[in-house]
Amino acid sequence: DAMVIQNPRYQVTQFGKPVTLSCSQTLNHNVMYWYQQKSSQAPKLLFHYYDKDFNNEADTPDNFQSRRPNTSFCFLDIRSPGLGDAAMYLCATSNGGGYEQYFGPGTRLTVT
Amino acid sequence: GEDVEQSLFLSVREGDSSVINCTYTDSSSTYLYWYKQEPGAGLQLLTYIFSNMDMKQDQRLTVLLNKKDKHLSLRIADTQTGDSAIYFCAEMAGGYNKLIFGAGTRLAVHP
Repeated sequence: DAMVIQNPRYQVTQFGKPVTLSCSQTLNHNVMYWYQQKSSQAPKLLFHYYDKDFNNEADTPDNFQSRRPNTSFCFLDIRSPGLGDAAMYLCATSNGGGYEQYFGPGTRLTVT
Repeated sequence: GEDVEQSLFLSVREGDSSVINCTYTDSSSTYLYWYKQEPGAGLQLLTYIFSNMDMKQDQRLTVLLNKKDKHLSLRIADTQTGDSAIYFCAEMAGGYNKLIFGAGTRLAVHP
């Protein structure tokens, strides 16, 4: 089945220690998104890639970076995680001309 | 600015209908969505409606859109325990498929 995969599902990192979250997709969609969802809050878009073009949201902290080496994979890098970065991180994809976004299961990040 | 608001909690009896309400602010939104999130899981797209429609039905789900009042609702007929989850309303904003989500409505279904 075509899908959006996120690894790992649970990630624990130490305060200030860089961490990378991974997303892959078999849908061959050209748009990939990263959302942050804190406990009991709405998912919030951090940035997205439209093909190779990176689009950052204005209020996304510089601590968050992303890489998309090819169509299938997209990474979220947090350079120096703080306690406030503990959240569920959701990856989503869409076909550029389409209006449906498909989400992965998420990675829950804990910062100790 | 863009904002989506939902009531936080709804409790219904199994077999009854559930109605989850949402208001949004961006009158230029082209699509409006309902997503379902079960504990510890990602978001599952349930249904969506184009802004030039006022109703969409899909099996047990009925979406109503009042564009004048910027009000969206999701009705779940014959609610089951498996429907217990958080339901997110979202609007598409901007030209690049950005979704703005509400904070979610937690639906609890009891016997």
